[in-house]
Amino acid sequence: DAGVTQSPTHLIKTRGQQVTLRCSPISGHKSVSWYQQVLGQGPQFIFQYYEKEERGRGNFPDRFSARQFPNYSSELNVNALLLGDSALYLCASSSTGFGYTFGSGTRLTVV
Amino acid sequence: DAKTTQPPSMDCAEGRAANLPCNHSTISGNEYVYWYRQIHSQGPQYIIHGLKNNETNEMASLIITEDRKSSTLILPHATLRDTAVYYCIVSEDTGRRALTFGSGTRLQVQP
Repeated sequence: DAGVTQSPTHLIKTRGQQVTLRCSPISGHKSVSWYQQVLGQGPQFIFQYYEKEERGRGNFPDRFSARQFPNYSSELNVNALLLGDSALYLCASSSTGFGYTFGSGTRLTVV
Repeated sequence: DAKTTQPPSMDCAEGRAANLPCNHSTISGNEYVYWYRQIHSQGPQYIIHGLKNNETNEMASLIITEDRKSSTLILPHATLRDTAVYYCIVSEDTGRRALTFGSGTRLQVQP
């Protein structure tokens, strides 16, 4: 079975632009979470979706938004990019059991 | 979720057991102890979890103290490929709650 897939793997954007990151969960997993990992720090929780509904939101500004589609895939959108948004963005999926499976992430560089 | 405390870094000789400690003195009765690791530039990888009993799988063993205020992850025969940042996380189960990552322990396995 395919794991959690994220696209693109790398991305360079200019300050002020908008970006959309995509995530496909493991087949059968209905929960998708997004994390931001700045260099040298642990991942920080951004959003969690379960059955297409937002179930949790971390301490991030309204420039960050997300959604989950009927096939449980998800998109993370970031508007008005800042230099500080440069990070590894991780997607994780889970079933109602234990443990999350993470994708390899999207490396976003804002210049 | 309860807060965890881990040493920032540890060294281990290849072939020896690596014992990674974690303090979680404010853990509540329905919170599990999870361990993840993150190899450089990859997404975190689930290792093991437990509630109050010791657990073992093909990757590691988890020893939880009787009062549940601390735990130890044991890699029985560390290899160079085990060099990574190890995160101890406490969280309720269901797979629907976000994970709160701390700074983790950077384990360096030495040849």
